Amino acid sequence: DAEITQSPRHKITETGRQVTLACHQTWNHNNMFWYRQDLGHGLRLIHYSYGVQDTNKGEVSDGYSVSRSNTEDLPLTLESAASSQTSVYFCASSESKLRAIYNEQFFGPGTRLTVL
Amino acid sequence: GIQVEQSPPDLILQEGANSTLRCNFSDSVNNLQWFHQNPWGQLINLFYIPSGTKQNGRLSATTVATERYSLLYISSSQTTDSGVYFCAVASMKTSYDKVIFGPGTSLSVIP
Repeated sequence: DAEITQSPRHKITETGRQVTLACHQTWNHNNMFWYRQDLGHGLRLIHYSYGVQDTNKGEVSDGYSVSRSNTEDLPLTLESAASSQTSVYFCASSESKLRAIYNEQFFGPGTRLTVL
Repeated sequence: GIQVEQSPPDLILQEGANSTLRCNFSDSVNNLQWFHQNPWGQLINLFYIPSGTKQNGRLSATTVATERYSLLYISSSQTTDSGVYFCAVASMKTSYDKVIFGPGTSLSVIP
């Protein structure tokens, strides 16, 4: 069955370190998204991609970067981790049909990141 | 931007009871989804329902786009239904191609 996976599921790191969270989907979806979920803020969009070599900033992109070298993967990198980036991170994907907003999004299991 | 409200914020049910969760949104939308976030944090797709009615087992959903609301019905609730139910919408009027999540309804089903 097609699926979307994230790794690691839990990560503890220190302030200032570079961290990369992996997202892999086997749906063959062109659209991929990264969100963070925090109490009081719900889910907020960090970055998104419509296909290979395409990346776009979301509403909370500062301190994060992504790259898309193939259809299946969209890794999220925290350049220099900060305590404010402690959160649960979700990756999502959707098929390409008109604009991405028209399509059903499927979410991965999430990564809980703690920055000390 | 589009505002999404959900009611009730919290709900406690006896196993076997029925319930209706409501989602109101402030402007026209192109996409509406219902999710269940289980106690382990996973977001599970329930319905993709920009308009109309759908049913899946004990769950059904109705969206009346012209009146800007959607309803999620849970019948014969089970303890495994516990968790948070989110309504999420997307619109061409938002700045980014993202879904906007409501605050959620926290459901506890007790035996």
